[in-house]
Amino acid sequence: DQQVKQNSPSLSVQEGRISILNCDYTNSMFDYFLWYKKYPAEGPTFLISISSIKDKNEDGRFTVFLNKSAKHLSLHIVPSQPGDSAVYFCAASALNTDKLIFGTGTRLQVFP
Amino acid sequence: GAGVSQSPRYKVAKRGQDVALRCDPISGHVSLFWYQQALGQGPEFLTYFQNEAQLDKSGLPSDRFFAERPEGSVSTLKIQRTQQEDSAVYLCASTRTGGNEKLFFGSGTQLSVL
Repeated sequence: DQQVKQNSPSLSVQEGRISILNCDYTNSMFDYFLWYKKYPAEGPTFLISISSIKDKNEDGRFTVFLNKSAKHLSLHIVPSQPGDSAVYFCAASALNTDKLIFGTGTRLQVFP
Repeated sequence: GAGVSQSPRYKVAKRGQDVALRCDPISGHVSLFWYQQALGQGPEFLTYFQNEAQLDKSGLPSDRFFAERPEGSVSTLKIQRTQQEDSAVYLCASTRTGGNEKLFFGSGTQLSVL
């Protein structure tokens, strides 16, 4: 039972364009969401997060949008850069729990 | 300071062998987590420590898996009688406070059971 789903295993975007990565969740108890970025042979690195009381959080080129009614969040990267090429994981946690539930990841490739 | 350090980086074990994976969290970090990442999947929670107390071990897949953090710093994940399905990357993460916000991950130990 996959509580956090990333239905696109891969995405290819031209440099300078917008990258949009999507994530869906099923557990209505989730109240905190995070995006992690992972390069090969490295551990995941925190990118950006959002609380369920917000619908948008922005940090430089990265913006996360949360649609609670649709149980959907997305990560926008604009403009995309070749260094953004990595695997992106969506993760969620519920109030008063200590564990993160991760999606299966989306591999982003940004080409020149 | 240094990030989360895990050793060994790679481990090859014969089926039935016991293995021990080490994690050195960031100095001063209270919380420590272990995750298992199978090929093509996202990390899956195994267990959580706050200082030396193991507060959640609900993700450990069987009683062959055991984790400890006796002095509230370094942690060891031990797998007894390894099986092929144990092959995965084992990730350790730590945070300054309790909870799971902004986990800092190590590079992981890639375990291959032959």
